[in-house]
Amino acid sequence: AQTVTQSQPEMSVQEAETVTLSCTYDTSESDYYLFWYKQPPSRQMILVIRQEAYKQQNATENRFSVNFQKAAKSFSLKISDSQLGDAAMYFCAYRSASAGGTSYGKLTFGQGTILTVHP
Amino acid sequence: NAGVTQTPKFRILKIGQSMTLQCTQDMNHNYMYWYRQDPGMGLKLIYYSVGAGITDKGEVPNGYNVSRSTTEDFPLRLELAAPSQTSVYFCASSSGTGDRYEQYFGPGTRLTVT
Repeated sequence: AQTVTQSQPEMSVQEAETVTLSCTYDTSESDYYLFWYKQPPSRQMILVIRQEAYKQQNATENRFSVNFQKAAKSFSLKISDSQLGDAAMYFCAYRSASAGGTSYGKLTFGQGTILTVHP
Repeated sequence: NAGVTQTPKFRILKIGQSMTLQCTQDMNHNYMYWYRQDPGMGLKLIYYSVGAGITDKGEVPNGYNVSRSTTEDFPLRLELAAPSQTSVYFCASSSGTGDRYEQYFGPGTRLTVT
């Protein structure tokens, strides 16, 4: 079974600065997908960024980028030019690339990191 | 499109009561999922469905049941509610299982069992 670990329960950053959230995972699969989700106080789950394991290039979405280290099984999220609206709980998630079996596209989530942004 | 809708938004149950959490999606997605999120924790999969009439257990299915009689609806039934089922419940749907097939989440149902 796959596991996802976020070792930082809480992080804080000053507005306009950069912060990095850590995530490690454990899997015996070679093909999979990784995601970062944002959950603001409204509880809505919002997809921030995704990474395909077979791609060496790190994904980027505007101010959000990842550092994907497949050998180390590490998948960190970097938020540049932090904004007050970035304050939320962030979840790292894993999905198997296997179309069937016991996965059926389910997501395995880490415990989450609460990000506070100070003005 | 309304996306994924869940009702109710909040509910308080007494120990031993039963209830059904409703989930409906209007995107014609085959894959649907129920997750629970305990305080300060990530989401864990309760049940999932790959199409009408087909359901299977996830990581934490005990105390729950599901059915999928239509593509749109995927209700979650709690029988004999226990305090351990106090949680926020999310329904999600997807048109596929690859990375491009994003899971769309409903707004969640906050359930308290006392």
